[in-house]
Amino acid sequence: KQEVTQIPAALSVPEGENLVLNCSFTDSAIYNLQWFRQDPGKGLTSLLLIQSSQREQTSGRLNASLDKSSGRSTLYIAASQPGDSATYLCAVRPGTGNQFYFGTGTSLTVIP
Amino acid sequence: KAGVTQTPRYLIKTRGQQVTLSCSPISGHRSVSWYQQTPGQGLQFLFEYFSETQRNKGNFPGRFSGRQFSNSRSEMNVSTLELGDSALYLCASSWQGEHEQYFGPGTRLTVT
Repeated sequence: KQEVTQIPAALSVPEGENLVLNCSFTDSAIYNLQWFRQDPGKGLTSLLLIQSSQREQTSGRLNASLDKSSGRSTLYIAASQPGDSATYLCAVRPGTGNQFYFGTGTSLTVIP
Repeated sequence: KAGVTQTPRYLIKTRGQQVTLSCSPISGHRSVSWYQQTPGQGLQFLFEYFSETQRNKGNFPGRFSGRQFSNSRSEMNVSTLELGDSALYLCASSWQGEHEQYFGPGTRLTVT
């Protein structure tokens, strides 16, 4: 069974700092990996989707990379803002089956 | 383009009752997945429906069931509610299931 781990569990940074969130998974036979953010009590907002054949995806201040062989993905957030405060979740879709395996998330606080 | 909608947004039930939650996917999406989110277990996959057929199922008891209609709208039913069923129930839609997933705002179920 795929296991997904996110480190750190919580992160607090001053506004303007660049930061990296980590996601690791145990089975490298994945179909794709998706990063989400979740605001308290709300649903998930899709940030970036990386297919297994891709190395990275970028959207605005966000850049996600994927190293399938080592079972790792990182989400890089440039010039963080207070509005980036949320929980960030990575989800891995295995090569077979259509369910996502989610990490436990990183709770990010950006201090003004 | 309208997003994924879920009704109701909040629900309070007592133990032993049953509940039905509804999810309307993004227009054109044929896959609907359901997840349960709790502070202790995180996000766990319940099941996925595609073209009115259950295609994948997570490790939940038979009290949890679902269905999908010809317009791709999906319902999830939980019978004989237990206190541990209190959670945020999220549904996600995607075009074919293996593509990018879009989540609804969730239904907050409280069992007393």
